[in-house]
Amino acid sequence: AQTVTQSQPEMSVQEAETVTLSCTYDTSESDYYLFWYKQPPSRQMILVIRQEAYKQQNATENRFSVNFQKAAKSFSLKISDSQLGDAAMYFCAYRKTGSQGNLIFGKGTKLSVKP
Amino acid sequence: GAGVSQSPRYKVTKRGQDVALRCDPISGHVSLYWYRQALGQGPEFLTYFNYEAQQDKSGLPNDRFSAERPEGSISTLTIQRTEQRDSAMYRCASSLEASVYSNQPQHFGDGTRLSIL
Repeated sequence: AQTVTQSQPEMSVQEAETVTLSCTYDTSESDYYLFWYKQPPSRQMILVIRQEAYKQQNATENRFSVNFQKAAKSFSLKISDSQLGDAAMYFCAYRKTGSQGNLIFGKGTKLSVKP
Repeated sequence: GAGVSQSPRYKVTKRGQDVALRCDPISGHVSLYWYRQALGQGPEFLTYFNYEAQQDKSGLPNDRFSAERPEGSISTLTIQRTEQRDSAMYRCASSLEASVYSNQPQHFGDGTRLSIL
């Protein structure tokens, strides 16, 4: 069975600095999708960034980028120029190709941003 | 509507009662998913629909849980004879396409926080 592990329950970053959140996953599939979702105190669940496993190029969305290491089954999220509004729970998620349901989430990392 | 809408936002009920949680997906979205999120955990998949057809219910914990989407739009998750362990945030999500190779993201609602006394 596929699993997603986020080994950092909590992280802290100074405003304007860069922080990296780690995520590893376990799968025997060769094709799949990976996602990072943000859950602020408002309870929303917001898609931050996604990566297709067949793409070698790392996805980037403005200040958010990923370091996707397929062989190592690692999918870390880098937040540059951190802002106070980035404070939230961040969840890494996996979904295999051909499966529309079954997003598998990690336990999350709580990110605090210090002014 | 503009986003996925769930109601009620909060539900407190006594053990043994039945509860029905409602999800109104983004207009035009074909796929609808239900997840359960315990405190301090990530969401766990329960079930999903394409149109009105339930495609996968492998995540439903037991037969007290059921879901329907009779007209392919609004969905209801029903929990019968609730127990304290059912307390959690229940989230609904929808996505645009039904293709098995779709990489369309799932858009989540704000959830229903269920508390069983």
